[in-house]
Amino acid sequence: DTGVSQDPRHKITKRGQNVTFRCDPISEHNRLYWYRQTLGQGPEFLTYFQNEAQLEKSRLLSDRFSAERPKGSFSTLEIQRTEQGDSAMYLCASSSRRFTIYFGEGSWLTVV
Amino acid sequence: TQLLEQSPQFLSIQEGENLTVYCNSSSVFSSLQWYRQEPGEGPVLLVTVVTGGEVKKLKRLTFQFGDARKDSSLHITAAQPGDTGLYLCAGDGDAGGTSYGKLTFGQGTILTVHP
Repeated sequence: DTGVSQDPRHKITKRGQNVTFRCDPISEHNRLYWYRQTLGQGPEFLTYFQNEAQLEKSRLLSDRFSAERPKGSFSTLEIQRTEQGDSAMYLCASSSRRFTIYFGEGSWLTVV
Repeated sequence: TQLLEQSPQFLSIQEGENLTVYCNSSSVFSSLQWYRQEPGEGPVLLVTVVTGGEVKKLKRLTFQFGDARKDSSLHITAAQPGDTGLYLCAGDGDAGGTSYGKLTFGQGTILTVHP
């Protein structure tokens, strides 16, 4: 069990640029989740996948955000035309059953 | 919209003191989880409570789930500096339990334990 892995851990980008984050879940975990956390707040749900199917998206996920999990293994979260308000930590999590969900260490995004 | 209110937001105590963190909601959750998060890291699951009235103990930590499954508390006995961190409660899914893992988090409690 190598845990949930996220890459990159830190990203600084200029406003208007596109960024992509990658998440590798724990092996054989069929559910994968994306959350966003800003300073002083708890994480907020963005979207989740069961295998390769994206089952739900939060209203927080604007049209500039897109997430994929093409083969039901790793996932990517892309943010197009970044804005300063996108600065946050993006957390990935995975699970194989109810009541147990494992988070990665997060990817910090700073938009300047 | 499901909301979780966590209190207090900040807690600064001396080593050896006891403390309680509260997590309250007007909604029913299929389960409630408590996490601890270190700066710059992801949340780490401490415990999941599922049954109304359930009490779970993890060494010096005691977790309770309210009878109506809307609220929970975390009690730490004889706090130590190593307990310092951000404590988060999170409600999982809805009463139907089909969307598990879609967590609604409280704002968190920042605990500082001074030696």
